[in-house]
Amino acid sequence: DAGVTQSPTHLIKTRGQQVTLRCSPISGHKSVSWYQQVLGQGPQFIFQYYEKEERGRGNFPDRFSARQFPNYSSELNVNALLLGDSALYLCASKWEGLGNEQFFGPGTRLTVL
Amino acid sequence: AQSVSQHNHHVILSEAASLELGCNYSYGGTVNLFWYVQYPGQHLQLLLKYFSGDPLVKGIKGFEAEFIKSKFSFNLRKPSVQWSDTAEYFCAVNALNTGNQFYFGTGTSLTVIP
Repeated sequence: DAGVTQSPTHLIKTRGQQVTLRCSPISGHKSVSWYQQVLGQGPQFIFQYYEKEERGRGNFPDRFSARQFPNYSSELNVNALLLGDSALYLCASKWEGLGNEQFFGPGTRLTVL
Repeated sequence: AQSVSQHNHHVILSEAASLELGCNYSYGGTVNLFWYVQYPGQHLQLLLKYFSGDPLVKGIKGFEAEFIKSKFSFNLRKPSVQWSDTAEYFCAVNALNTGNQFYFGTGTSLTVIP
């Protein structure tokens, strides 16, 4: 079975631009979460979606938004990029149920110049 | 503030040495606990998890962790490390009273010297 896939692998943008990152969960997983991992830090929770509905939102500005599609894939959008948005963006999926483990994708490395 | 703390930021050990990485959390209520590992150039992988029952859990590659509820701790251990254990280790808490979100510690970088 394929794991969680993310695209693109790497991305370079300039300040003020907008970016869309994509994630396909493991087949059968209906829950998708997004994380931001800045170099030297642990992943920080951004969003969780389940059955196309937002289940949770971390402490990120409104420039960050996401959505989940009927096939359970997801997109993360970031508007008005700042230098500080440079990070590895991780997507994780899980079969919904209390405490079920998350499976992480390889991430998208975003560099904002 | 609620948090997950990993006090060891960078650990250097020789092969065959024993390992213990600390993890403390400050969330109340029911929690599920995880240790993830990130090998160089690879994505996060689950080492082990605790949901309920025996507080001593065993994971892959000889790792184990002990949940001590009274200390809000979930320390990771391995009796004898190998060079291949060189990686970044993250403790994570799934706090069930916070909307089922996952919170990660800042990570511990482990370097094992052959």
